[in-house]
Amino acid sequence: IAGITQAPTSQILAAGRRMTLRCTQDMRHNAMYWYRQDLGLGLRLIHYSNTAGTTGKGEVPDGYSVSRANTDDFPLTLASAVPSQTSVYFCASRDLTDTQYFGPGTRLTVL
Amino acid sequence: AQSVTQLDSQVPVFEEAPVELRCNYSSSVSVYLFWYVQYPNQGLQLLLKYLSGSTLVKGINGFEAEFNKSQTSFHLRKPSVHISDTAEYFCAVSDPTNFNKFYFGSGTKLNVKP
Repeated sequence: IAGITQAPTSQILAAGRRMTLRCTQDMRHNAMYWYRQDLGLGLRLIHYSNTAGTTGKGEVPDGYSVSRANTDDFPLTLASAVPSQTSVYFCASRDLTDTQYFGPGTRLTVL
Repeated sequence: AQSVTQLDSQVPVFEEAPVELRCNYSSSVSVYLFWYVQYPNQGLQLLLKYLSGSTLVKGINGFEAEFNKSQTSFHLRKPSVHISDTAEYFCAVSDPTNFNKFYFGSGTKLNVKP
């Protein structure tokens, strides 16, 4: 069982480019989340999805969009990347005991 | 909005010594509380959680935490640390009525020295 996988592991991106971070889970959890982790700020919620077909905004949603076409996949898209979006991005899912499971992360650098 | 404060950004400690990592949260209403550990270049892993019941919660790797409602604290403790405990630890709070409201502290780096 892989749990949550994320791709790519790391990426360097020119400002203004479009980028999609992929997240896939094999645990059949309904709820999924995207966080960004920045030094000294902990993790901040970007977007979430309670079930396939629904999404919602978290604490820092601007500049990001998500979709949830099925239970397993929850991609995060940066339509036009900016340097302030340089961060480490974590995808997570939640089980019925309210425990969140995290992927290994994607390190994104926007130049 | 909820806020979570981890006062110590770094905690150095010698191997086999006890350690306490502090966590305070802002809300006086009922919350769920969590501690996660992050090893270098990895995602977060759940250490323990408090949802209800006994205020002393035991987790993996010998860690425990005590929920103190009057002080709005949820400090993490281990009586004897190992080199392998070197990692960053995050306290987190969620709203039981809306689990999509999930707030993390800024993290405490535990550095265990031989």
